[in-house]
Amino acid sequence: AQSVSQHNHHVILSEAASLELGCNYSYGGTVNLFWYVQYPGQHLQLLLKYFSGDPLVKGIKGFEAEFIKSKFSFNLRKPSVQWSDTAEYFCAVAYYSGGYQKVTFGTGTKLQVIP
Amino acid sequence: DVKVTQSSRYLVKRTGEKVFLECVQDMDHENMFWYRQDPGLGLRLIYFSYDVKMKEKGDIPEGYSVSREKKERFSLILESASTNQTSMYLCASRLPPGQGSNEQFFGPGTRLTVL
Repeated sequence: AQSVSQHNHHVILSEAASLELGCNYSYGGTVNLFWYVQYPGQHLQLLLKYFSGDPLVKGIKGFEAEFIKSKFSFNLRKPSVQWSDTAEYFCAVAYYSGGYQKVTFGTGTKLQVIP
Repeated sequence: DVKVTQSSRYLVKRTGEKVFLECVQDMDHENMFWYRQDPGLGLRLIYFSYDVKMKEKGDIPEGYSVSREKKERFSLILESASTNQTSMYLCASRLPPGQGSNEQFFGPGTRLTVL
């Protein structure tokens, strides 16, 4: 199985601080990249995705992520976090293996935003 | 709106019991997935199904089996539950790669405790 690394397990920020969550993956071929978010007590939901084209993708709620192919990275950013961004964030990579497209998730980063 | 429902939010079973976790989606998605989510480990793929009657092992299939008799329903079976299967189980569905956004839609999860 391919691996997806999220460097920070738990991040604590004050409101209005900038956020960057790291994500690196190991697969050398073509990938689709995702960030999902899980707010407390809610379903996992898609934040943003990259398939092709502009490596800077914008998602919901002011989040963006940049795909850097040479670094196998897809870091998530937000210029100014809000208390409502408190959640767990998961990076995911879709790739083809054995004729099927598989998806591997990272271990998640818990973000706590302090008012 | 895509809806993925799971039969139970909370389940308590005893060691050795046979456990069925049911997942139903209402958007005619061909692909369905079962994950378990554990703190610090993220989401790990147990099994997936690309179509009716089709199943493939994910990264951690040991101790589990699945059934996909109808397109909308994907069941996870614990043949003989053990305490190390205590976890949150998430079901997801999506369109096949190339037919849509490739986004996975998740259910609310079933928190299973095995005593």
